[in-house]
Amino acid sequence: NAGVTQTPKFQVLKTGQSMTLQCAQDMNHNSMYWYRQDPGMGLRLIYYSASEGTTDKGEVPNGYNVSRLNKREFSLRLESAAPSQTSVYFCAGHSGESSYNEQFFGPGTRLTVL
Amino acid sequence: AQSVTQLGSHVSVSEGALVLLRCNYSSSVPPYLFWYVQYPNQGLQLLLKYTSAATLVKGINGFEAEFKKSETSFHLTKPSAHMSDAAEYFCAVSVSTGRRALTFGSGTRLQVQP
Repeated sequence: NAGVTQTPKFQVLKTGQSMTLQCAQDMNHNSMYWYRQDPGMGLRLIYYSASEGTTDKGEVPNGYNVSRLNKREFSLRLESAAPSQTSVYFCAGHSGESSYNEQFFGPGTRLTVL
Repeated sequence: AQSVTQLGSHVSVSEGALVLLRCNYSSSVPPYLFWYVQYPNQGLQLLLKYTSAATLVKGINGFEAEFKKSETSFHLTKPSAHMSDAAEYFCAVSVSTGRRALTFGSGTRLQVQP
């Protein structure tokens, strides 16, 4: 099992460019999450998806959109990148009631917006 | 809403010394509590979790944490630090209702001196 995978690992964008961060999991997770990590701030929730076809905003959704087209994949899109979106992005998933909300994380995408 | 406070953004110990990383939480309902570790340029790995089964929780790599409801604390300890413990540690809280996302503390970077 690959677990939770993310592509790309690194990306540099210019202000105003768009891109999609991809996340896929083979752990049969029902719920999936996107977080961003900034120095001194821990991880903050951007968006989450409780099940296939549903998404909802987290703490810091502005400037982002997400898509959960199937159970395996949950993508994060930046329509017009800004320097404030320079961060490390983590995708995570968890399976359900018995997991006590333990989440499994991908390796992260390091994004720089110039 | 729940929150987590980690006291000390940087902690430095000598190899073989006690490790103590502090975490206090706030939650209006019984919480699930987690400690995650992040090694440089990697994703987050679960160290241990509290799910109300036992107040003293043992995790991987010799770490343990004790849930103290009266103090709203979940401090992480290890009797003897090893060089390989140098990493960033995050405390997180979740609850059994709602979106089940993790709310993270700001993290504590542990340095281990030889």
